Amino acid sequence: SQQGEEDPQALSIQEGENATMNCSYKTSINNLQWYRQNSGRGLVHLILIRSNEREKHSGRLRVTLDTSKKSSSLLITASRAADTASYFCATSRDTDKLIFGTGTRLQVFP
Amino acid sequence: DAGVIQSPRHEVTEMGQEVTLRCKPISGHNSLFWYRQTMMRGLELLIYFNNNVPIDDSGMPEDRFSAKMPNASFSTLKIQPSEPRDSAVYFCASTLGLDEQFFGPGTRLTVL
Repeated sequence: SQQGEEDPQALSIQEGENATMNCSYKTSINNLQWYRQNSGRGLVHLILIRSNEREKHSGRLRVTLDTSKKSSSLLITASRAADTASYFCATSRDTDKLIFGTGTRLQVFP
Repeated sequence: DAGVIQSPRHEVTEMGQEVTLRCKPISGHNSLFWYRQTMMRGLELLIYFNNNVPIDDSGMPEDRFSAKMPNASFSTLKIQPSEPRDSAVYFCASTLGLDEQFFGPGTRLTVL
């Protein structure tokens, strides 16, 4: 069964706007990762946040982690049409195994 | 580095036929993962190997599915006999340690 549930399932915004996606998970974790998948392609790693971290930045990406609520959010600032993709959170505990969420489909209109 | 390589990229076969999917992980990575992605079930982990040894195959749907990793640079996922419900995109990914996984481009399997 999937560990993560993502919200919203789909999101449509205009270029320049910010996009926020949320992920909730069920058990304790070692780290949480976000991946992007363009249509018809494999997943690409975006950012990793460890369980002892609360916030992390990478370029236009900002990730937060609240282990007490078992939730994370991914913020993409100043979105571009090229950001159109599906975004997945994935959690790991004490092994290499990742459990992926259900994903958020982001559409950015020019 | 060429990244994770999968072959074939597309496979169309008839029900009952044997299907073999292939994966070459990134050199130096010690863990390899096979995933299946469908609209209905999302991205599911089928099996993963660490140092060529299967660690967790709890996601393998049934005995028709088998996976091998004879050496550090090659893995196969075999379906025999194939069924229409096996139609999906199959991804291979590799990693070194507990961090990011690197995904291949996937094999789109259609079973008629």
